[in-house]
Amino acid sequence: QQQVKQSPQSLIVQKGGISIINCAYENTAFDYFPWYQQFPGKGPALLIAIRPDVSEKKEGRFTISFNKSAKQFSLHIMDSQPGDSATYFCAAGTGGYNKLIFGAGTRLAVHP
Amino acid sequence: ETGVTQTPRHLVMGMTNKKSLKCEQHLGHNAMYWYKQSAKKPLELMFVYNFKEQTENNSVPSRFSPECPNSSHLFLHLHTLQPEDSALYLCASSPGLAGSHEQFFGPGTRLTVL
Repeated sequence: QQQVKQSPQSLIVQKGGISIINCAYENTAFDYFPWYQQFPGKGPALLIAIRPDVSEKKEGRFTISFNKSAKQFSLHIMDSQPGDSATYFCAAGTGGYNKLIFGAGTRLAVHP
Repeated sequence: ETGVTQTPRHLVMGMTNKKSLKCEQHLGHNAMYWYKQSAKKPLELMFVYNFKEQTENNSVPSRFSPECPNSSHLFLHLHTLQPEDSALYLCASSPGLAGSHEQFFGPGTRLTVL
């Protein structure tokens, strides 16, 4: 019940295309859903996050769509660029100690 | 130094060695974390410290021993490791306040156990 399932494992997109990564969770106590971006040799960095009281959040080219009834959320990267090539992790969190459960990650490659 | 720093960045050790990983955060946060990152697996939360007190031990083998002397420093002491312990070990910190979830990660220590 603590798992967060992420798909696909890897994704290849052409420059200018839309990248879509999906995550699903079981625990309805989760109340915070961030996406992290990780470049080689670096630690993950927060990209965008959403709480379950909204269905969508947009920041620049990055959008989170959230479906509370389906217990699913997704990251959409519009106009994907080669600089977006990285590994993306979804996560879900709850509790006063800020504990996050991470998905397995999606390796995105954006080809010019 | 800013953010979260980790040393060393790379470590190779034998199964009988004892070594320590160090993490320091310069963000004034109160919570610190150790994660293990293996290829094609989710980040595995190992330990959580809040205000220097350990609040989470995710069934981590005793060959990994954390230490948090203050809110800015976190250590992971390693002894008699196994080859399957080879991974990237990430440290993170967060404000440690209710409703404040963002975790800031260091660059990690790449550990190889021979």
